[in-house]
Order: sequence, then structure tokens, then C-alpha cells
Amino acid sequence: QVQLQESGPGLVKPSGTLSLTCAVSGDSITSNLWWSWVRQPPGRGLEWIADIYHSGSTNYNPSLKSRVTISVDKSKNHFSLKLTSVTAADTAMYYCARDENWGSYRFFDSWGQGTLVTVSS
Amino acid sequence: DIQMTQSPSSLSASVGDRVTITCRASQSIKNYVNWYQQKPGKAPKLLIYAASSLQSGVPSRFRGSGSGTEFTLTISSLQPEDFATYYCQQTYSSLTFGGGTKVDI
Repeated sequence: QVQLQESGPGLVKPSGTLSLTCAVSGDSITSNLWWSWVRQPPGRGLEWIADIYHSGSTNYNPSLKSRVTISVDKSKNHFSLKLTSVTAADTAMYYCARDENWGSYRFFDSWGQGTLVTVSS
Repeated sequence: DIQMTQSPSSLSASVGDRVTITCRASQSIKNYVNWYQQKPGKAPKLLIYAASSLQSGVPSRFRGSGSGTEFTLTISSLQPEDFATYYCQQTYSSLTFGGGTKVDI
């Protein structure tokens, strides 16, 4: 059974860079799947951030694209997220998820437990 | 960008009630809709994909329907463990979530 585990600093200073990693176990990151990051500000809804395929192909939420980089490390079976120039509005629970597909349909069938990142000085 | 508008944003219900949640897309998205359940402090859980396909292990009281721009999630007989927040998601063009529907007592 696949498991995903987010890790990274829980506190980031304003204007700094948020960096998170998602370790994947029970599945290979080189399988025919995409891998995503999703965030959720406290008390609010879900926002998809970006996804990546093991080949390095990526997609980004247009509203965040200028500040986001997603990458994959096949040797470590993990993928990562960097978000630059953070503000308090970036304070959120950050989840990584497996982006399964069924033909042309996509859905997030496995999620990490999430990691809370607070932007504050 | 495709917007997903969920209604209602919250509802109160009782055990045994039939509950219906609606999600409207800002343009036609065929049947590229998924539904998730999220309980407090937990990650979302996939319930329905491709508008009406039940994810493995999900109880059959959950049913998804719709196509084009209007989609519904129906819980036929609400159980105590179903009190949660529900989100729709479109995957037709990029990925966006609805704003959520909180189901409580």
C-alpha cells in the first residue's frame, strides 16, 4: 500500500522560500503516475499547486506558477516543492498526493498526512 | 480557468437523512469530476471519480452523478461517520476544487 510523507520546516519567514519533500513508499515514483502538491489554508478549502511526472514534465496552478518549482528525485523516490517570496497568505497545511489515472481520468487516491507551514517572522 | 461552485456551503442533517450536494462548473467539463471527503485534521479521502465511479472500499450509500456543468454527490442514508466536509474537483482542464460543503448535525 502506498504511503506518502511530507517533511520540511514548519516555519518560514516572510519573503523566504518554502521547501517541502514528499517521500513515497510502497510505490515507485517512476510508475505511470503523476504526483501532486495541494494546500489548505487554516479553515479554508483545497488548492492544487502543481504536479510532476517522473520524466520531469510538470504542470502548475497559473495563480502560483511564477513562484513554484516542483521537482522529482528518482534515486530517493521522492518529489519536492519550492515556493518563493512567501507571505502570510501562504500559511497552510501542505499535502502531497498520488495522482492516479484511469484512462483520461485523474484523481488523487492516496494522500500524505499533511504538514503545516506557517509564514511568520 | 474553470471555476467549481459548490452548494450549499454547509448543511445540517440527521442520521438516516438523504443528503445531496451540488457542484456547478463554469463551463462544460464532461464527466471529469471527483468527490472527496475530509474530516477535521485529516487528509481528504477519494469517494467518487469520473463523476459516478465509486472508489474501492467506499460504501455504496455514496453516489455521484451528472455531466456537463452540473454534478451531485448523494448520500442515501447519512451515517455518524459521514459528518465531514465534501469537495468536488474538476480535472478537465488543469485541476480545481470546489469551495467545500460542511455536513454537520
